[in-house]
Amino acid sequence: EAEVAQSPRYKITEKSQAVAFWCDPISGHATLYWYRQILGQGPELLVQFQDESVVDDSQLPKDRFSAERLKGVDSTLKIQPAELGDSAMYLCASSPRFQETQYFGPGTRLLVL
Amino acid sequence: QKEVEQNSGPLSVPEGAIASLNCTYSDRVSQSFFWYRQYSGKSPELIMSIYSNGDKEDGRFTAQLNKASQYVSLLIRDSQPSDSATYLCAASGGSYIPTFGRGTSLIVHP
Repeated sequence: EAEVAQSPRYKITEKSQAVAFWCDPISGHATLYWYRQILGQGPELLVQFQDESVVDDSQLPKDRFSAERLKGVDSTLKIQPAELGDSAMYLCASSPRFQETQYFGPGTRLLVL
Repeated sequence: QKEVEQNSGPLSVPEGAIASLNCTYSDRVSQSFFWYRQYSGKSPELIMSIYSNGDKEDGRFTAQLNKASQYVSLLIRDSQPSDSATYLCAASGGSYIPTFGRGTSLIVHP
């Protein structure tokens, strides 16, 4: 069964350092989402891509976060510089074009010290 | 602002009982509703989606939707200890951008 791949699975970094997360959606899925989930809360959308275009990044802290999906397939989310409050699970999800059912990857757990 | 509200719990039920999880949403134009299960430290896994008023059954799970009351629920029959997890409700208004609730923690004790 096809799955969303994410790496790394865990990342420990010091504040002010740069971190990057990678996501490879299910093959053929046009829509890709990046979420941040803080412990005890629901996932919060950071950015949504349709193919290579950003559909919504209104909740992305653009002073430190950036996301790209250059060829409309895999995607990278970057944080620079990382802050203590960025410690969370970063989830990637994908869905087929014009469908709302999302398939989540295993997530990247980030700890900022 | 679109909101999806869930009681954080924990909801504790004995094995074999029916667990009832509830969710309300604020955006009246929401059309699609989803229930995800999330085990501790893992990513969400889709359980059910529902789009029309009424009930939708899948095995031990039944989703219920009442758009007039802006209310969605998930019933789990014959609850098992393996059902112990956090259940996330999500609502989408057709923009393919769902809003998630904070989840309800369910504990099924033997």
